[in-house]
Amino acid sequence: GENVEQHPSTLSVQEGDSAVIKCTYSDSASNYFPWYKQELGKRPQLIIDIRSNVGEKKDQRIAVTLNKTAKHFSLHITETQPEDSAVYFCAAFSGNTGKLIFGQGTTLQVKP
Amino acid sequence: DVKVTQSSRYLVKRTGEKVFLECVQDMDHENMFWYRQDPGLGLRLIYFSYDVKMKEKGDIPEGYSVSREKKERFSLILESASTNQTSMYLCASSLGGNSNQPQHFGDGTRLSIL
Repeated sequence: GENVEQHPSTLSVQEGDSAVIKCTYSDSASNYFPWYKQELGKRPQLIIDIRSNVGEKKDQRIAVTLNKTAKHFSLHITETQPEDSAVYFCAAFSGNTGKLIFGQGTTLQVKP
Repeated sequence: DVKVTQSSRYLVKRTGEKVFLECVQDMDHENMFWYRQDPGLGLRLIYFSYDVKMKEKGDIPEGYSVSREKKERFSLILESASTNQTSMYLCASSLGGNSNQPQHFGDGTRLSIL
């Protein structure tokens, strides 16, 4: 069935450095790719999303890139801050099943 | 701002009990979803609904059922709870006729089955 692979599972960076999280998807009909941030004990919150007709989208320190040919997309966080520490989930909307498929999650730790 | 409210943050039940998890959204969203979240497995879809009285199986529906009698409310039912259903349960809602729209999550219910 359709799946989304997310790497790395854990990521530790120094404050001010950049962080990159990568996801690959299997359904070539996928057309919507959201990213969620989940702080400890809190709900997942949508931080950025991209649709398949766009290659890149940026919102302040956060950017997402999409390579449809290779079927992968990435989250880039620049100038990381301690409050960026959280679990990040990627997801891909499967056009075949009509469902949002989530990656396994990446725990990001930003050290002050 | 979208508000998705789950009835309990923490719940402890016994094996074999029938368990009800309730979710209410206040934005008139057509779509509602139930996920379970387990470490290293991400969010896995249990059931979803695109309209009142409508339901579709997700990826892991075994041992669960759902009810959507009103547009704003989506209930998850564990017919006979088992210890392997101990998990965090997340409800979500979204606009539109399919799930190709941002989903908004509730705070989650941490369910323990003893």
